Amino acid sequence: SYELTQPPSVSVSPGQTARITCSGDALSKQYASWYQQKPGQAPVLVIYRDNERPSGIPERFSGSTSGTTVTLTISGAQAEDEADYHCQSADISGTSPVFGGGTKLTVL
Amino acid sequence: EVQLVESGGGLVKPGGSLRLSCAASGFTFTNAWMSWVRQAPGKGLEWVGRIISKTDGGTTDYAAPVTGRFTISRDDSKNRLYLQMNSLKTEDTAVYYCTIFYGVRGGWFDPWGQGTLVTVSS
Repeated sequence: SYELTQPPSVSVSPGQTARITCSGDALSKQYASWYQQKPGQAPVLVIYRDNERPSGIPERFSGSTSGTTVTLTISGAQAEDEADYHCQSADISGTSPVFGGGTKLTVL
Repeated sequence: EVQLVESGGGLVKPGGSLRLSCAASGFTFTNAWMSWVRQAPGKGLEWVGRIISKTDGGTTDYAAPVTGRFTISRDDSKNRLYLQMNSLKTEDTAVYYCTIFYGVRGGWFDPWGQGTLVTVSS
């Protein structure tokens, strides 16, 4: 079955730029989205269509794509950004949504 | 404000059944494509299935692990989404989220309900 690959963890100091990658063969043909999930809470959409930001999401969150890899960038990461981040896209046919395994971002 | 509130979770024995419900408000439910996504304890997110709007055909799609055991339905008159889960396995233990699905070529889910916990254990 189709998979999206994320690093298990990323660590940055406050104010630094955090980059979380997500790789998958179909990402050159399908859009990607990113979700932030804090402990005990439901996921929240932070990026959709590779690089679109929903209303209410801080400008420090951005998305980019290059070939079969998409990247979530948090510019000037803050302590409140510490969370799990999940990428999501679909298989090559576009029929079935797929999630990456998630990346734990630590800001300290 | 868009709200999605799941209910119906609980403890069930392997082989048993459970029906989850999702009450929707704050948007035109009739036009929405709805999905269920689950998260096993300490694990990542897993798409369970989707039902599109009746005006777009009302069809359903399921992830391979639940095909033939789970059924998604909707009652547009009550603004409710359902997930009927049969022949439950221990690996179905998870928090189940109700969410709205948008777009094509990958799509996205927004917003999400608070989730309801299903525990399958003897």
